[in-house]
Amino acid sequence: EIVLTQSPDFQSVTPKEKVTITCRASQSIGSSLHWYQQKPDQSPKLLIKYASQSISGVPSRFSGSGSGTDFTLTINSLEAEDAATYYCHQSSSLPWAFGQGTKVEIK
Amino acid sequence: EVQLVESGGGLVQPGRSLRLSCAASGFTFDDYAMHWVRQAPGKGLEWVSGISWNSGSIGYADSVKGRFTISRDNAKNSLYLQMNSLRAEDTALYYCAKDSTPLIAAAAYFDYWGQGTLVTVSS
Repeated sequence: EIVLTQSPDFQSVTPKEKVTITCRASQSIGSSLHWYQQKPDQSPKLLIKYASQSISGVPSRFSGSGSGTDFTLTINSLEAEDAATYYCHQSSSLPWAFGQGTKVEIK
Repeated sequence: EVQLVESGGGLVQPGRSLRLSCAASGFTFDDYAMHWVRQAPGKGLEWVSGISWNSGSIGYADSVKGRFTISRDNAKNSLYLQMNSLRAEDTALYYCAKDSTPLIAAAAYFDYWGQGTLVTVSS
C-alpha cells in the first residue's frame, strides 16, 4: 500500500507570496499523482493531473512538478481565493491514496 | 454539465446497514469508472471503493472490505454503496466521484465530485 506524506500540514501566507507544497510517496508512482483543492464546505476540485498537466479553467498560477516519489504543487502569487486545503492523490496502484492535506491560510 | 447527486445518508446505529446512491447526469455514465471517497468530520480524504464501467473490476479500501459493496446500474445512470456492519469510524461525508477512464486501475484521476451525503454512525 502506497502512503503519501504532504508537507507542511499548515501554511499561513500573505497575498502575492509563492506557496510550495510537497508530496512524497512511499514508493515510486511514476507520474500518477494528482492535486485537488478543497475550499471550506465544498467538494474537492481537480487542480493538476499527472503531476504537471494543467486543467482547463484552473488559473495558471497553479503548477505541478515531480515524478517517482517526490512531487510539488506551486501557487505563484497567492490570491485570497486560494485559501483552501490541498490534497495530493496517487492512482498508480490500488488502494488509491490521498495525502493528509495541507491547509493554506491567508494572512 | 456533469452532475453527481448523492443521497441515502443519515443517522444509523452501530452494526446496522445503509445504502447510498449517486445519480449521474451530463455525461455517458457507462463510459467511466466511478468511486466513493469519504471524509470524516474535520479530517482528510479517504478512497473507499471503485467500480469499472462494466462492473467487471471492483476495488475496496481495507477499512471497508467485507462490509461494503459497490455496484452500479448503467441503465439508471446510478452508483450505489451498500454499507453493512457500520461502525462509529465510518462516520463521514461520502462523495461520489467520476473517474477519468473506464477502468479503476488505470492511473486515472477524479475529474468530477458530488456534494456528498453525510453518514453518522452513533447509538
